Amino acid sequence: SQQGEEDPQALSIQEGENATMNCSYKTSINNLQWYRQNSGRGLVHLILIRSNEREKHSGRLRVTLDTSKKSSSLLITASRAADTASYFCATDGTHTGANSKLTFGKGITLSVRP
Amino acid sequence: KAGVTQTPRYLIKTRGQQVTLSCSPISGHRSVSWYQQTPGQGLQFLFEYFSETQRNKGNFPGRFSGRQFSNSRSEMNVSTLELGDSALYLCASSLEVWVRMNTEAFFGQGTRLTVV
Repeated sequence: SQQGEEDPQALSIQEGENATMNCSYKTSINNLQWYRQNSGRGLVHLILIRSNEREKHSGRLRVTLDTSKKSSSLLITASRAADTASYFCATDGTHTGANSKLTFGKGITLSVRP
Repeated sequence: KAGVTQTPRYLIKTRGQQVTLSCSPISGHRSVSWYQQTPGQGLQFLFEYFSETQRNKGNFPGRFSGRQFSNSRSEMNVSTLELGDSALYLCASSLEVWVRMNTEAFFGQGTRLTVV
């Protein structure tokens, strides 16, 4: 079953605008990660936010985490055509012991129009 | 520093055949995980290896197997291929097991497997 559920499923914006994508999850986590994927290629790691963090920045990216609502958001400011891609949130699905795996949502397709 | 390298990039196989995919993690990374990505099911976890031991396994049939070598390179094998095995297979490497170390996972470009 999908742990992370992104919202919206698709987003189309004009270059220069901000893009906000949301992710909700079901169980407690240690961290949440956001990835980008360009047209069937590999996943590019964007940012990791730990469960004890509320906000994190990396360049034009801003990620927030609200563990009480089990949700995260990814904000891309001043979007560019090159930001066109699919974006995934992934959680580590905490379990006891050393085992862990990333559980991904179905992804958000972002289109940035030039 | 080289990234995660997966070979081959593309593969076409016939139903019933078997296939082996390879993944070389980032130097120094000891954890390697495999994922299958399909349009219908999205990204699904296959298994994770750490220090040559399988630490976690997803909900896939026994036709899917893997192993990790002492140099942390990993292979996954799919036997008796079915049409539904057509997918992008992604490998990820990280420094440590995530739960304990909270480290990022870095993915390779994937192997596109087509079963005809």
